[in-house]
Amino acid sequence: ETGVTQSPTHLIKTRGQQVTLRCSSQSGHNTVSWYQQALGQGPQFIFQYYREEENGRGNFPPRFSGLQFPNYSSELNVNALELDDSALYLCASSLDRWTGAEAFFGQGTRLTVV
Amino acid sequence: AQKVTQAQTEISVVEKEDVTLDCVYETRDTTYYLFWYKQPPSGELVFLIRRNSFDEQNEISGRYSWNFQKSTSSFNFTITASQVVDSAVYFCALRGDNYGQNFVFGPGTRLSVLP
Repeated sequence: ETGVTQSPTHLIKTRGQQVTLRCSSQSGHNTVSWYQQALGQGPQFIFQYYREEENGRGNFPPRFSGLQFPNYSSELNVNALELDDSALYLCASSLDRWTGAEAFFGQGTRLTVV
Repeated sequence: AQKVTQAQTEISVVEKEDVTLDCVYETRDTTYYLFWYKQPPSGELVFLIRRNSFDEQNEISGRYSWNFQKSTSSFNFTITASQVVDSAVYFCALRGDNYGQNFVFGPGTRLSVLP
């Protein structure tokens, strides 16, 4: 059973650019969530996908968008990057969208915007 | 609104000491779930425990134990006989019962266990 994998592990982008982060969910998991973790803070919920549809969204602007594919892998896209977007982006997968389900996290993508 | 508070920003202990990490939460939901996650320097969040709001039994797993008290909205985590490998940031998190509700994390407590 493979865990949650994210790519790339590190990324440096310039303000105004666009970025795509990728996540492969754990085998058999149909629900993927994305979180932004600024340095020294707890993760903040961005959005969740269940069976290829957005199933919930946190307080993030529309320039944060996502996709989930038929194999349940997922992408997070951020347009018009700002310096404050610099953070660790974590992906989590769960067996189901039930909120009591355990969520398994990847190691994250460290995004630096300069 | 839901909120999780971890008042201890950083704790340092010497190996073999016991340490308790505090977590206080706020929610208006009658059904909810509480979690603890560990974040080592590598970055991934490692699941430690889940508790639902109807189960106030304390739990022990090896050197780890959790004390859930609904009356004080607290879900504290104790590590007995701490080890250097326990050094990490620990997050307490809350989740409501509606689909689409996701984790509300506390700010985390950085635990350093010194040899």
